[in-house]
Amino acid sequence: GESVGLHLPTLSVQEGDNSIINCAYSNSASDYFIWYKQESGKGPQFIIDIRSNMDKRQGQRVTVLLNKTVKHLSLQIAATQPGDSAVYFCAENRGGDTGRRALTFGSGTRLQVQP
Amino acid sequence: SQTIHQWPATLVQPVGSPLSLECTVEGTSNPNLYWYRQAAGRGLQLLFYSVGIGQISSEVPQNLSASRPQDRQFILSSKKLLLSDSGFYLCAWSRKDRDGQPQHFGDGTRLSIL
Repeated sequence: GESVGLHLPTLSVQEGDNSIINCAYSNSASDYFIWYKQESGKGPQFIIDIRSNMDKRQGQRVTVLLNKTVKHLSLQIAATQPGDSAVYFCAENRGGDTGRRALTFGSGTRLQVQP
Repeated sequence: SQTIHQWPATLVQPVGSPLSLECTVEGTSNPNLYWYRQAAGRGLQLLFYSVGIGQISSEVPQNLSASRPQDRQFILSSKKLLLSDSGFYLCAWSRKDRDGQPQHFGDGTRLSIL
């Protein structure tokens, strides 16, 4: 499959620990944020999203935190499992017409879960 | 439920040959459609997006073109491939929403140019 993330920063955690993946975004006009998980040879898979009128949102085993003051986004994964090993991307989306809404992706973080 | 299909999964082409990658979406209507390219170890770069049949916007100048002949069909093409066209090509769709909607990706086509 595609060798995604050859030069990406890597976070290595023990199985069962909590993981925190961070992302800094640059556009203060961004109002919608998404986290994606990408496994080797596959397309990015949607994990969770958050709008700029919120600072926290929880899903199943995942929490996204948004700090608009410092333009920082984080993804917390509880009780990390081997299946969580992948490259994680944050993406930001600017407000605008209903057509474009293109995403700007971060460079990604590789999560390695040690058994 | 909605699904998105891309084919082929892998493709090896000689320099100067034509290209046609196809993407179809099922289970939704009037989606926004997107083509991205991902270089190894990098994030995704938006190439084209489409808000409707025959409506294509290009994000970066390049050797590629896109077409949307049907509502849920998006095609990426080239008349003559360059070595620099190698990469992982991803198609995505999203609903139209002023407040933002997630984009959902296919499993991509790995294109190698020889």
